[in-house]
Amino acid sequence: EAGVTQFPSHSVIEKGQTVTLRCDPISGHDNLYWYRRVMGKEIKFLLHFVKESKQDESGMPNNRFLAERTGGTYSTLKVQPAELEDSGVYFCASSQGLGFTEAFFGQGTRLTVV
Amino acid sequence: QQQVKQSPQSLIVQKGGISIINCAYENTAFDYFPWYQQFPGKGPALLIAIRPDVSEKKEGRFTISFNKSAKQFSLHIMDSQPGDSATYFCAASRGPYSSASKIIFGSGTRLSIRP
Repeated sequence: EAGVTQFPSHSVIEKGQTVTLRCDPISGHDNLYWYRRVMGKEIKFLLHFVKESKQDESGMPNNRFLAERTGGTYSTLKVQPAELEDSGVYFCASSQGLGFTEAFFGQGTRLTVV
Repeated sequence: QQQVKQSPQSLIVQKGGISIINCAYENTAFDYFPWYQQFPGKGPALLIAIRPDVSEKKEGRFTISFNKSAKQFSLHIMDSQPGDSATYFCAASRGPYSSASKIIFGSGTRLSIRP
């Protein structure tokens, strides 16, 4: 069974540009989560989808971040325009049940804004 | 405000030695304390977890020690092996079925085991 897959693995963009990260969850997992780890710091929650609906987006830092999950399958996280402080590793996770401890993480996308 | 403080930031241990990573929390409402293991190029994966009704939980070479009065918990890796080299994150939440937004992670410890 395929795990959670994220694209791209790395992305280097200039400040002010737009970047779109993609997450393909495990098939059949209704719950999809986005997290971010800024260099050397803790992993922080961004938002939680249940199917195509945003269950909780309390962790989204500002309106430059837009997450979508069309059709309840894969999800995208767009940053527009990117700022230097957006650099970090963006993780996606998915779970079948609501309990986060049942979630599986993707390998992450390392975003560097220069 | 960092609610879960993790130390050290990095740790080097000789093969066969004991690796110890410490975490301290502030919110007394936390009652579920998982540890995650992340290998290079991979995402974090749940390793072991403890509830505060026990002071210790052991799974193979991995042991969590929990001190409720001190609001501290630690991960011990016995007979550390090069394959244990990874980044370890502690976390805390209100129960194992807490919503994702309520799980607080530590800042991570990069563990290297020297052959």
